[in-house]
Amino acid sequence: QKEVEQNSGPLSVPEGAIASLNCTYSDRGSQSFFWYRQYSGKSPELIMSIYSNGDKEDGRFTAQLNKASQYVSLLIRDSQPSDSATYLCAVNFWETGANNLFFGTGTRLTVIP
Amino acid sequence: NAGVTQTPKFQVLKTGQSMTLQCAQDMNHNSMYWYRQDPGMGLRLIYYSASEGTTDKGEVPNGYNVSRLNKREFSLRLESAAPSQTSVYFCASSEGRTGLNTEAFFGQGTRLTVV
Repeated sequence: QKEVEQNSGPLSVPEGAIASLNCTYSDRGSQSFFWYRQYSGKSPELIMSIYSNGDKEDGRFTAQLNKASQYVSLLIRDSQPSDSATYLCAVNFWETGANNLFFGTGTRLTVIP
Repeated sequence: NAGVTQTPKFQVLKTGQSMTLQCAQDMNHNSMYWYRQDPGMGLRLIYYSASEGTTDKGEVPNGYNVSRLNKREFSLRLESAAPSQTSVYFCASSEGRTGLNTEAFFGQGTRLTVV
């Protein structure tokens, strides 16, 4: 059984602070890793993808991947109230010619003005 | 640029009724997925289709059937709805040709209530 684990939160940070979101996964064969943002009542929206070890930065967002530790994280710098949402970690398992994308349960982030 | 379109957005069914959720994508993606999302459970994969003409079970397939009608369309059918199937259903698609570059893009969701 493929597992993707996240702390459900809620995680509260003050406006302007760094929010740190963490995710672990069970399968060492995983190749692709994603962070989605989901506002209440809306569909998940892709914000970051990462495929190799190290950091990947996009604006205020930085994704970090450590395949040896089976760990992926998302840092949000200069957090804004508009960042308040649930953040979903997703892991792709490529097997038997098909892609399976498994999600964690999500971490709810609240940015306090 | 529509992306992934799901219909209907909302639906109320009585126990035992059947219905089909429709999904279409215009991104020429190979893979399509159906997920359900319940409070505290995250997104759980019901069925997926790696390519036109193929479908496979995900984590929670019981009570559902799917059809990959063509490359664009992937439908989800509830043959005999049960209250446990009350959920928000999301369709998604991805390029899916290899293990990389498999970002999935989601439809707007269908909120289904079974009474």
